[in-house]
Amino acid sequence: EAEVAQSPRYKITEKSQAVAFWCDPISGHATLYWYRQILGQGPELLVQFQDESVVDDSQLPKDRFSAERLKGVDSTLKIQPAELGDSAMYLCASSFGTGAGNTDTQYFGPGTRLTVL
Amino acid sequence: GEDVEQSLFLSVREGDSSVINCTYTDSSSTYLYWYKQEPGAGLQLLTYIFSNMDMKQDQRLTVLLNKKDKHLSLRIADTQTGDSAIYFCAEIRGRDDKIIFGKGTRLHILP
Repeated sequence: EAEVAQSPRYKITEKSQAVAFWCDPISGHATLYWYRQILGQGPELLVQFQDESVVDDSQLPKDRFSAERLKGVDSTLKIQPAELGDSAMYLCASSFGTGAGNTDTQYFGPGTRLTVL
Repeated sequence: GEDVEQSLFLSVREGDSSVINCTYTDSSSTYLYWYKQEPGAGLQLLTYIFSNMDMKQDQRLTVLLNKKDKHLSLRIADTQTGDSAIYFCAEIRGRDDKIIFGKGTRLHILP
């Protein structure tokens, strides 16, 4: 069964360092999402791509976070510099379509757990 | 904005039924979802229900939707130890069809 791949699974870094996370969506899925999940909370959307274009980054802290999906397939999320409050699980998801509906159901990767010391 | 509300914890004996409740916010939400998250893992789609349905059954899972009260529930029959996880309710909200998650209900199975 096709899955969303993410790496690394775990990342420990010191504050002020740069970190990067990678996501490979399910083949053929046009839409890719990055979420941040703080312990004890549900996921919150950071950025949404439709192919290589950003369609929603309203919740992305753009002073330190950046995301790209250059060829419309895999994606990288970067944080520079990392802060203590960035410690969380970063989840990537993908969907076939662009809007709500069962064809647009989001499938999640295993996540990257970031710890900032 | 308003939150999707769920109870934080639920304890159920193995073999009993579990019922996880959720109150969502957007009456025009077209789809409502239940996701399961096991420790250290991503979210796994369990089931979804279209807004014109009242009930959906899928093996041990039954979803009930009360649109008038904006209430969604997930019933797990014959709860097993493997059902121990956090269950997230999610709605589609707004013109841009954003998925909004609740904080999750942690299901604990008692022996």
